[in-house]
Amino acid sequence: GENVEQHPSTLSVQEGDSAVIKCTYSDSASNYFPWYKQELGKRPQLIIDIRSNVGEKKDQRIAVTLNKTAKHFSLHITETQPEDSAVYFCAASLLAGTYKYIFGTGTRLKVLA
Amino acid sequence: SQTIHQWPATLVQPVGSPLSLECTVEGTSNPNLYWYRQAAGRGLQLLFYSVGIGQISSEVPQNLSASRPQDRQFILSSKKLLLSDSGFYLCAWSVGLTSGNTIYFGEGSWLTVV
Repeated sequence: GENVEQHPSTLSVQEGDSAVIKCTYSDSASNYFPWYKQELGKRPQLIIDIRSNVGEKKDQRIAVTLNKTAKHFSLHITETQPEDSAVYFCAASLLAGTYKYIFGTGTRLKVLA
Repeated sequence: SQTIHQWPATLVQPVGSPLSLECTVEGTSNPNLYWYRQAAGRGLQLLFYSVGIGQISSEVPQNLSASRPQDRQFILSSKKLLLSDSGFYLCAWSVGLTSGNTIYFGEGSWLTVV
């Protein structure tokens, strides 16, 4: 069935270092890949997304890359700050017309001051 | 602008009791609506989604059900709650007739079944 694998499950970095979270999807028809940040006890918030016709997208310290051939995409956070600490989820849209989105299992990022 | 409201924010229910969580979206028409569940420290599990009034797709067989009585209203229900139903329930919406449109989440409802 449809599946999105996300790694690592936890990640600790020193403030100022970079963090990379990777996801792999199974449905070759997936065409939209958002990333969400969830702070403790709050709703997931969209931080960046990428569509299948683009290989990379950047927004200040956050970037996402997509490799359609390998069916994986990654979130890159540079110059990490303590407020980046949260759980990050990747997601992939499924076959057009189903309106379904499958989420990865999440990565708990801790930025150490 | 579009907004999504979900309630109640928290509730504690005994095993075997009924459940009703409600979600409404404002500022858009014919949204796609979703219910996700997040167990403590876990990922987001898709429970139901709806592309129109009365159209509900179930992803996980369980004792929960969903209904969409109006275009922008989505309700999650249970006749008899189980301990395993505890978790953080998130309503979400997207728009568009194709996949690949951003999902926006409501504030969430914390359910504890005791």
